[in-house]
Amino acid sequence: QVQLVESGGGVVQPGGSLRLSCAATGFSLSITGMHWVRQAPGKGLEWVAVIWSNGRTTFYADSVKGRFTFSRDDSRNTLYLQMDRLRVEDTAVYYCARERKPFDAFDLWGEGTMVTVSS
Amino acid sequence: QSALTQPPSASGSPGQSVTISCTGTSNDIGGYNYVSWYQQHPGKAPKLIIYEVTKRPSGVPDRFSGSKSGNTASLTVSGLQAEDETDYYCHSYAGSNSWVFGGGTKLTVL
Repeated sequence: QVQLVESGGGVVQPGGSLRLSCAATGFSLSITGMHWVRQAPGKGLEWVAVIWSNGRTTFYADSVKGRFTFSRDDSRNTLYLQMDRLRVEDTAVYYCARERKPFDAFDLWGEGTMVTVSS
Repeated sequence: QSALTQPPSASGSPGQSVTISCTGTSNDIGGYNYVSWYQQHPGKAPKLIIYEVTKRPSGVPDRFSGSKSGNTASLTVSGLQAEDETDYYCHSYAGSNSWVFGGGTKLTVL
């Protein structure tokens, strides 16, 4: 079954860190770009980051640049989003999503994991 | 990386057609044919319904159609059904390895 399953969400204090995981089954993460997208409570979708199919090249939204790090473990077919120096405004459901082809739409999404940054 | 502009709400009666607009700039919608639309039910992940401006993934009813003119993309839902009542988001590649979403439109079936 082709699917993405996120985990690792939780409650963290401002300034803290959290690492999200996204496990893929039914396909290899090395064949396409992968993304993180977040959605604050009651708000719209916000693109967060991409990792290319080569597993090394990453790009980030300005809002998270320098604080978040996107990586991939091919042996586990799993993505990671290391989130440091978290802010209250990072509170959101975080989704991982698969890119159809470079620069194109996201055709497969996980169910998301909730991150709450609060003191 | 400014969000694309969508109307907050749209509505139509069962069987009617409704069109949702999505306005960007020449740096995103106007510059690329990588415009997509997603349907999102409450508490669920987004679902891709239109990609590359006009194309439908397998399994998406042909009641959903997309178009683009200049810096504005549109999603049209024809033959409205009760199950179409939910949130819709547009999405575009914005160059330099960045992507942007619209603010979302809540579609109400009257």
